[in-house]
Amino acid sequence: RKEVEQDPGPFNVPEGATVAFNCTYSNSASQSFFWYRQDCRKEPKLLMSVYSSGNEDGRFTAQLNRASQYISLLIRDSKLSDSATYLCVVNNQVNRDDKIIFGKGTRLHILP
Amino acid sequence: GAGVSQSPSNKVTEKGKDVELRCDPISGHTALYWYRQSLGQGLEFLIYFQGNSAPDKSGLPSDRFSAERTGGSVSTLTIQRTQQEDSAVYLCASSKDPGQGREQYFGPGTRLTVT
Repeated sequence: RKEVEQDPGPFNVPEGATVAFNCTYSNSASQSFFWYRQDCRKEPKLLMSVYSSGNEDGRFTAQLNRASQYISLLIRDSKLSDSATYLCVVNNQVNRDDKIIFGKGTRLHILP
Repeated sequence: GAGVSQSPSNKVTEKGKDVELRCDPISGHTALYWYRQSLGQGLEFLIYFQGNSAPDKSGLPSDRFSAERTGGSVSTLTIQRTQQEDSAVYLCASSKDPGQGREQYFGPGTRLTVT
């Protein structure tokens, strides 16, 4: 099983729809989780951290399910500008040293 | 404030030449990471520096690759005797002190083309 696994997509979604992605991770001791967004030919940028209790930022909601070892990202009322690749990131920190694993990303295309 | 900066933004080099890529992390960030990303692919971890600890070099693909971080700030990634398969975007990221919830901030990358 890969350390961090994502459906590569692409997800082709009409504007205004709701879309959700999952990301599974293999290390049950993983400690922190993030979603990053990467636009074409740009660097990744942090979208949101994922907290145990789940968290919401505007149209974006992130959830963590430790029992099943996955995190999710929900985008409501999708906009054309949401088209990007969404990267799942897991930190398997050991002592004070990071062990950060990036998923390969899920491509999202919002259709007008 | 200033973000992570990288130079050069683009580098074209001939096969067999050495190249140096530079990263200036955000001031005060103790952790620095190098990744590379080939076209249409995910991020490949290369090396990680944390404060004064020995770096985690487990991602370096061969002994042609090396990196150093001087004074806990600026880092240089060196690729010796470049090969065409080294062509990729090399991304640097930095983050604050260790702890859960640490977030990475990426530079714009250096696009390396080996001809």
